[in-house]
Amino acid sequence: AQRVTQPEKLLSVFKGAPVELKCNYSYSGSPELFWYVQYSRQRLQLLLRHISRESIKGFTADLNKGETSFHLKKPFAQEEDSAMYYCALSWDSSYKLIFGSGTRLLVRP
Amino acid sequence: GAVVSQHPSRVICKSGTSVKIECRSLDFQATTMFWYRQFPKQSLMLMATSNEGSKATYEQGVEKDKFLINHASLTLSTLTVTSAHPEDSSFYICSARPPGQYTDTQYFGPGTRLTVL
Repeated sequence: AQRVTQPEKLLSVFKGAPVELKCNYSYSGSPELFWYVQYSRQRLQLLLRHISRESIKGFTADLNKGETSFHLKKPFAQEEDSAMYYCALSWDSSYKLIFGSGTRLLVRP
Repeated sequence: GAVVSQHPSRVICKSGTSVKIECRSLDFQATTMFWYRQFPKQSLMLMATSNEGSKATYEQGVEKDKFLINHASLTLSTLTVTSAHPEDSSFYICSARPPGQYTDTQYFGPGTRLTVL
């Protein structure tokens, strides 16, 4: 069965510090991986997807099939990055999403 | 663009009653909508996939007779929680997938908080 694991419930960093939100997955085929973000009192929204290989708001994520990971990184955190981040997996063109448990990022001034 | 709304945003009902939650795609047609459930401080759990004009596909462990889903048009899906009980209290979130873009793009609604007394 497909599974997404985010080991950290909370990650607290100071402004300007590097950030890495961890995500590991289990799926025997070729998954599609995503990061979704939920800012305070807002709805869930797509941050980035592995297939696009893009950088959004300074965040990047690389799919590492050998380690089955899709960690989210940003070299210099900003206070406005504080939010809940969810890693998600889709498979076999099912369009379904399986979410990890989420990591709350708190960027302190 | 790509806005999804839910109505109501919160609802309180008595045990045994049924509650209907609407999910609308406001500026696009959604061939597929998804319903999720989120318990406090937990992740989103996919409940079912709603396809326009056909029966919903439920995930394992989700009672289809309890959570009735109707996707009558390309812009509206409804979730009815039948004979609600306190354990059904949760945050219900829908998402919609527009055709013609990345096939796996989903846009999320703001959620509906259901409290069953």
